[in-house]
Amino acid sequence: DGGITQSPKYLFRKEGQNVTLSCEQNLNHDAMYWYRQDPGQGLRLIYYSQIVNDFQKGDIAEGYSVSREKKESFPLTVTSAQKNPTAFYLCASSLGQMNTEAFFGQGTRLTVV
Amino acid sequence: RKEVEQDPGPFNVPEGATVAFNCTYSNSASQSFFWYRQDCRKEPKLLMSVYSSGNEDGRFTAQLNRASQYISLLIRDSKLSDSATYLCVVKWGGYNKLIFGAGTRLAVHP
Repeated sequence: DGGITQSPKYLFRKEGQNVTLSCEQNLNHDAMYWYRQDPGQGLRLIYYSQIVNDFQKGDIAEGYSVSREKKESFPLTVTSAQKNPTAFYLCASSLGQMNTEAFFGQGTRLTVV
Repeated sequence: RKEVEQDPGPFNVPEGATVAFNCTYSNSASQSFFWYRQDCRKEPKLLMSVYSSGNEDGRFTAQLNRASQYISLLIRDSKLSDSATYLCVVKWGGYNKLIFGAGTRLAVHP
């Protein structure tokens, strides 16, 4: 089945540790996105990538890093520089053309204690 | 000013009501528009794309006004199952930047 997979679903980390969230898609999509959602809030764009080996900062990139070495994969690292990392993280992908919607993974709930 | 702004919620309506959500966007170069639905603690899912001429899908109608940079979603004959958060989404630029509004929560009651 084609889709976008995020893992793990729940993640607990100690404060000060870096953590990497996985996002894999087999939809042959060029564009991939990372969003953060806090309780009762909308989605805020962290990073996005249109093509392999290229990515752009979104609105809240500080404290995060990404890589896009393969078309299928767009991992997100939450670094210790991120002041408030506890949140729901959503990965999405879409075809590169306009008028094409994005599909989401089921998300990763990160809790930093 | 936020790039995509939506009506504040929540909207509490009885079954069978008609409800309208509005959304404005700031970037005139925006090229694609969507409405997504998000259930509690789930990922967003596409409800419908929004086309320049307006489009309808069953009880749902979407409209786009490029001159006013305004998008709307109309839900007729509301069902209990329509209770969710509705997100306005705008896509623009050569890098396919995809921006979400903060969402409007709808609660349909018996």
